[in-house]
Amino acid sequence: AQKITQTQPGMFVQEKEAVTLDCTYDTSDQSYGLFWYKQPSSGEMIFLIYQGSYDEQNATEGRYSLNFQKARKSANLVISASQLGDSAMYFCAMRGNFNKFYFGSGTKLNVKP
Amino acid sequence: DTGVSQNPRHKITKRGQNVTFRCDPISEHNRLYWYRQTLGQGPEFLTYFQNEAQLEKSRLLSDRFSAERPKGSFSTLEIQRTEQGDSAMYLCASSLAAEGRRGHSGNTIYFGEGSWLTVV
Repeated sequence: AQKITQTQPGMFVQEKEAVTLDCTYDTSDQSYGLFWYKQPSSGEMIFLIYQGSYDEQNATEGRYSLNFQKARKSANLVISASQLGDSAMYFCAMRGNFNKFYFGSGTKLNVKP
Repeated sequence: DTGVSQNPRHKITKRGQNVTFRCDPISEHNRLYWYRQTLGQGPEFLTYFQNEAQLEKSRLLSDRFSAERPKGSFSTLEIQRTEQGDSAMYLCASSLAAEGRRGHSGNTIYFGEGSWLTVV
Protein backbone atom coordinates (compact mmCIF):
# COMPACT_ATOMS: atom_id res chain seq x y z
CA ALA A 1 0.00 0.00 0.00
CA GLN A 2 1.08 3.55 -0.65
CA LYS A 3 1.39 6.07 2.14
CA ILE A 4 2.43 9.71 2.20
CA THR A 5 3.51 11.42 5.40
CA GLN A 6 3.81 15.15 5.92
CA THR A 7 4.94 15.84 9.47
CA GLN A 8 4.70 19.65 9.45
CA PRO A 9 1.11 20.80 9.98
CA GLY A 10 2.19 24.45 9.72
CA MET A 11 5.26 26.42 8.71
CA PHE A 12 6.22 30.08 8.81
CA VAL A 13 8.76 31.70 6.52
CA GLN A 14 9.91 35.25 6.06
CA GLU A 15 9.24 36.77 2.67
CA LYS A 16 12.19 36.32 0.25
CA GLU A 17 13.63 33.44 2.26
CA ALA A 18 13.70 29.78 1.21
CA VAL A 19 11.59 27.12 2.91
CA THR A 20 11.58 23.31 2.81
CA LEU A 21 8.39 21.30 3.19
CA ASP A 22 8.94 17.70 4.21
CA CYS A 23 7.42 14.62 2.62
CA THR A 24 8.18 10.95 3.12
CA TYR A 25 6.52 8.09 1.34
CA ASP A 26 6.15 4.36 1.47
CA THR A 27 5.55 2.08 -1.48
CA SER A 28 6.50 -1.33 -2.73
CA ASP A 29 6.26 -0.25 -6.37
CA GLN A 30 9.46 -0.04 -8.38
CA SER A 31 8.14 2.75 -10.58
CA TYR A 32 6.17 5.62 -9.13
CA GLY A 33 5.68 9.35 -9.39
CA LEU A 34 5.80 12.00 -6.71
CA PHE A 35 3.94 15.28 -6.97
CA TRP A 36 3.42 18.49 -5.06
CA TYR A 37 0.22 20.49 -5.21
CA LYS A 38 -0.64 23.91 -3.80
CA GLN A 39 -4.11 24.60 -2.46
CA PRO A 40 -4.96 28.26 -1.76
CA SER A 41 -7.98 29.16 0.33
CA SER A 42 -10.14 29.13 -2.80
CA GLY A 43 -9.84 25.34 -2.80
CA GLU A 44 -8.35 24.58 -6.21
CA MET A 45 -5.47 22.10 -6.24
CA ILE A 46 -2.67 23.54 -8.36
CA PHE A 47 0.01 21.23 -9.74
CA LEU A 48 3.51 22.45 -8.92
CA ILE A 49 6.15 19.84 -9.66
CA TYR A 50 6.69 16.18 -10.51
CA GLN A 51 9.50 13.70 -9.84
CA GLY A 52 9.68 10.26 -11.40
CA SER A 53 11.23 7.48 -9.38
CA TYR A 54 13.78 6.78 -12.11
CA ASP A 55 14.70 10.40 -12.71
CA GLU A 56 18.32 10.91 -11.82
CA GLN A 57 18.12 14.64 -11.39
CA ASN A 58 15.98 16.52 -8.93
CA ALA A 59 13.04 18.24 -10.58
CA THR A 60 12.91 22.03 -10.75
CA GLU A 61 10.13 24.36 -11.86
CA GLY A 62 10.93 28.03 -11.43
CA ARG A 63 11.16 28.75 -7.71
CA TYR A 64 10.17 25.19 -6.85
CA SER A 65 12.58 22.31 -6.58
CA LEU A 66 12.11 18.80 -5.32
CA ASN A 67 14.83 17.30 -3.12
CA PHE A 68 14.41 13.63 -3.98
CA GLN A 69 16.27 11.12 -1.83
CA LYS A 70 15.15 7.71 -3.01
CA ALA A 71 16.99 5.63 -0.43
CA ARG A 72 15.41 7.66 2.36
CA LYS A 73 12.04 7.72 0.59
CA SER A 74 11.77 11.44 0.89
CA ALA A 75 10.60 14.06 -1.60
CA ASN A 76 10.88 17.45 0.04
CA LEU A 77 9.67 20.60 -1.69
CA VAL A 78 11.96 23.62 -1.61
CA ILE A 79 10.49 27.03 -2.35
CA SER A 80 13.11 29.68 -2.93
CA ALA A 81 12.57 33.41 -2.48
CA SER A 82 9.15 33.02 -0.81
CA GLN A 83 6.40 35.43 -1.81
CA LEU A 84 3.26 36.44 0.05
CA GLY A 85 1.24 34.62 -2.60
CA ASP A 86 2.90 31.35 -1.61
CA SER A 87 0.80 31.26 1.56
CA ALA A 88 -1.38 28.18 1.10
CA MET A 89 -1.72 24.49 1.91
CA TYR A 90 0.81 22.25 0.22
CA PHE A 91 0.17 18.57 -0.45
CA CYS A 92 2.62 15.88 -1.37
CA ALA A 93 1.16 13.06 -3.44
CA MET A 94 2.18 9.75 -4.95
CA ARG A 95 0.82 8.19 -8.10
CA GLY A 96 -0.13 4.56 -7.64
CA ASN A 97 -1.78 1.98 -9.86
CA PHE A 98 -4.26 3.22 -12.45
CA ASN A 99 -3.02 6.74 -11.89
CA LYS A 100 -4.71 6.83 -8.50
CA PHE A 101 -3.16 9.51 -6.32
CA TYR A 102 -2.49 9.27 -2.60
CA PHE A 103 -2.11 12.50 -0.67
CA GLY A 104 -0.49 13.49 2.59
CA SER A 105 -2.30 15.53 5.20
CA GLY A 106 -0.72 18.75 4.01
CA THR A 107 1.41 21.58 5.35
CA LYS A 108 0.01 25.07 5.83
CA LEU A 109 2.63 27.61 4.81
CA ASN A 110 2.42 31.18 6.00
CA VAL A 111 4.72 33.73 4.42
CA LYS A 112 5.37 36.74 6.67
CA PRO A 113 6.03 40.18 5.20
CA ASP B 1 -7.84 25.42 -23.32
CA THR B 2 -10.13 25.41 -20.31
CA GLY B 3 -9.33 23.55 -17.14
CA VAL B 4 -11.49 21.15 -15.18
CA SER B 5 -14.83 22.74 -14.42
CA GLN B 6 -17.11 21.81 -11.52
CA ASN B 7 -20.53 23.02 -10.53
CA PRO B 8 -22.12 24.00 -8.38
CA ARG B 9 -19.22 25.45 -6.45
CA HIS B 10 -21.20 25.54 -3.24
CA LYS B 11 -24.24 23.61 -2.12
CA ILE B 12 -26.10 23.77 1.17
CA THR B 13 -28.70 21.08 1.63
CA LYS B 14 -30.86 19.64 4.35
CA ARG B 15 -30.12 16.23 5.72
CA GLY B 16 -31.93 13.57 3.73
CA GLN B 17 -31.98 15.47 0.46
CA ASN B 18 -30.22 14.34 -2.71
CA VAL B 19 -27.48 16.39 -4.34
CA THR B 20 -25.71 16.10 -7.67
CA PHE B 21 -22.37 17.57 -8.71
CA ARG B 22 -21.15 17.87 -12.25
CA CYS B 23 -17.59 17.78 -13.57
CA ASP B 24 -16.39 18.73 -17.03
CA PRO B 25 -12.82 17.51 -17.52
CA ILE B 26 -10.14 18.93 -19.77
CA SER B 27 -11.43 18.10 -23.24
CA GLU B 28 -8.88 15.55 -24.44
CA HIS B 29 -8.51 13.80 -21.08
CA ASN B 30 -9.80 10.24 -20.98
CA ARG B 31 -9.43 9.64 -17.24
CA LEU B 32 -11.63 11.28 -14.67
CA TYR B 33 -11.42 11.04 -10.87
CA TRP B 34 -13.52 12.06 -7.93
CA TYR B 35 -11.92 12.86 -4.58
CA ARG B 36 -13.33 14.02 -1.27
CA GLN B 37 -11.54 16.41 1.05
CA THR B 38 -12.50 17.30 4.60
CA LEU B 39 -11.02 20.15 6.60
CA GLY B 40 -7.41 19.61 7.59
CA GLN B 41 -7.00 16.53 5.42
CA GLY B 42 -5.66 15.73 2.01
CA PRO B 43 -7.97 14.57 -0.77
CA GLU B 44 -9.18 10.96 -0.55
CA PHE B 45 -9.86 8.89 -3.64
CA LEU B 46 -13.50 8.03 -4.31
CA THR B 47 -13.75 6.69 -7.83
CA TYR B 48 -12.15 6.71 -11.25
CA PHE B 49 -13.29 6.45 -14.89
CA GLN B 50 -11.42 5.62 -18.02
CA ASN B 51 -13.61 6.96 -20.79
CA GLU B 52 -17.14 5.88 -19.78
CA ALA B 53 -16.09 2.86 -17.72
CA GLN B 54 -15.99 3.17 -13.96
CA LEU B 55 -12.93 1.10 -13.14
CA GLU B 56 -12.57 1.47 -9.40
CA LYS B 57 -14.58 2.62 -6.40
CA SER B 58 -13.23 3.30 -2.95
CA ARG B 59 -14.80 1.75 0.13
CA LEU B 60 -15.48 5.37 1.11
CA LEU B 61 -18.14 5.37 -1.59
CA SER B 62 -21.19 4.04 0.21
CA ASP B 63 -24.35 2.82 -1.54
CA ARG B 64 -25.73 6.35 -1.27
CA PHE B 65 -23.07 7.58 -3.68
CA SER B 66 -23.19 7.01 -7.41
CA ALA B 67 -21.05 8.39 -10.17
CA GLU B 68 -21.54 8.26 -13.91
CA ARG B 69 -19.72 9.32 -17.01
CA PRO B 70 -22.24 8.37 -19.70
CA LYS B 71 -20.45 9.51 -22.84
CA GLY B 72 -16.91 9.53 -21.60
CA SER B 73 -16.92 13.30 -21.28
CA PHE B 74 -18.57 15.01 -18.29
CA SER B 75 -19.29 13.15 -15.08
CA THR B 76 -21.87 13.45 -12.30
CA LEU B 77 -21.57 12.48 -8.66
CA GLU B 78 -24.88 12.00 -6.86
CA ILE B 79 -25.30 11.65 -3.12
CA GLN B 80 -28.65 10.33 -1.99
CA ARG B 81 -30.17 10.87 1.45
CA THR B 82 -27.35 13.16 2.51
CA GLU B 83 -25.96 12.97 6.03
CA GLN B 84 -24.02 15.57 7.97
CA GLY B 85 -20.89 13.46 7.60
CA ASP B 86 -21.09 14.01 3.84
CA SER B 87 -20.15 17.66 4.35
CA ALA B 88 -16.85 18.08 2.51
CA MET B 89 -15.35 19.40 -0.67
CA TYR B 90 -15.75 17.11 -3.66
CA LEU B 91 -12.91 17.46 -6.10
CA CYS B 92 -12.90 16.29 -9.68
CA ALA B 93 -9.67 15.71 -11.59
CA SER B 94 -8.74 14.52 -15.04
CA SER B 95 -5.71 13.21 -16.84
CA LEU B 96 -4.61 11.88 -20.18
CA ALA B 97 -3.43 8.29 -20.07
CA ALA B 98 0.09 8.33 -21.44
CA GLU B 99 3.11 6.35 -20.43
CA GLY B 100 5.61 8.38 -18.47
CA ARG B 101 8.95 9.16 -19.97
CA ARG B 102 11.84 11.25 -18.90
CA GLY B 103 10.77 14.85 -18.65
CA HIS B 104 7.10 14.00 -18.96
CA SER B 105 4.75 15.21 -16.27
CA GLY B 106 4.07 11.63 -15.31
CA ASN B 107 0.34 11.52 -15.99
CA THR B 108 -0.31 14.47 -13.73
CA ILE B 109 -3.92 14.85 -12.75
CA TYR B 110 -5.43 18.31 -12.96
CA PHE B 111 -8.06 19.33 -10.47
CA GLY B 112 -11.12 21.52 -10.68
CA GLU B 113 -11.93 24.13 -8.08
CA GLY B 114 -14.07 21.73 -6.12
CA SER B 115 -17.68 21.64 -5.00
CA TRP B 116 -18.28 22.46 -1.36
CA LEU B 117 -21.14 20.54 0.24
CA THR B 118 -22.66 21.55 3.55
CA VAL B 119 -25.37 19.30 4.98
CA VAL B 120 -27.42 20.97 7.71
